Amino acid sequence: NAGVTQTPKFQVLKTGQSMTLQCAQDMNHNSMYWYRQDPGMGLRLIYYSASEGTTDKGEVPNGYNVSRLNKREFSLRLESAAPSQTSVYFCASSEFRQGVNSGANVLTFGAGSRLTVL
Amino acid sequence: AQSVTQLGSHVSVSEGALVLLRCNYSSSVPPYLFWYVQYPNQGLQLLLKYTSAATLVKGINGFEAEFKKSETSFHLTKPSAHMRDAAEYFCAVSEGQAGTALIFGKGTTLSVSS
Repeated sequence: NAGVTQTPKFQVLKTGQSMTLQCAQDMNHNSMYWYRQDPGMGLRLIYYSASEGTTDKGEVPNGYNVSRLNKREFSLRLESAAPSQTSVYFCASSEFRQGVNSGANVLTFGAGSRLTVL
Repeated sequence: AQSVTQLGSHVSVSEGALVLLRCNYSSSVPPYLFWYVQYPNQGLQLLLKYTSAATLVKGINGFEAEFKKSETSFHLTKPSAHMRDAAEYFCAVSEGQAGTALIFGKGTTLSVSS
């Protein structure tokens, strides 16, 4: 019943430090996503990976890099953290299914990683 | 480009009252539409989804939503609110292609008073 697992759950960084958020899913999904959530802004897409070996930018990719390590894992890296990157980060995965009453790209989310940059 | 607009960042109702959370979408192709709920300090959970099979969609916890193409709307309703419904609700849209990410609205916080 693990679903999508994110680590760490909490992290405090100083400006300029680097870190990697890890995400793993055990549902054999092809697609994985990283979102950030900020008050009043909803969820904004940072990067996504439609399938193993591919990655694409979302709405707010600046300051981030991603790696789709294998089908299970999709990491998000902050090379030089800035206070503007203080946020809650969510990883998600999905498996698209064709047909009536299909899954239609339903995303399963992790519990989130709360990052504070001082 | 697809987009979602949630009208009202905060909705307050009394326990037992009707819940109505509004969502309008913009999409150049027939959309897939979703409502997700986020309880405090948790991730997002799927409430319901529209995939063109039926315009009235029933979800978990007594929620339902109706797809109205003429109004480009997908409003979420529940006949009688419970205290446990207090949470943040997000409407989202997708093109429905493999690997396409969801585009989320800014969210509506539902408060329920006794």
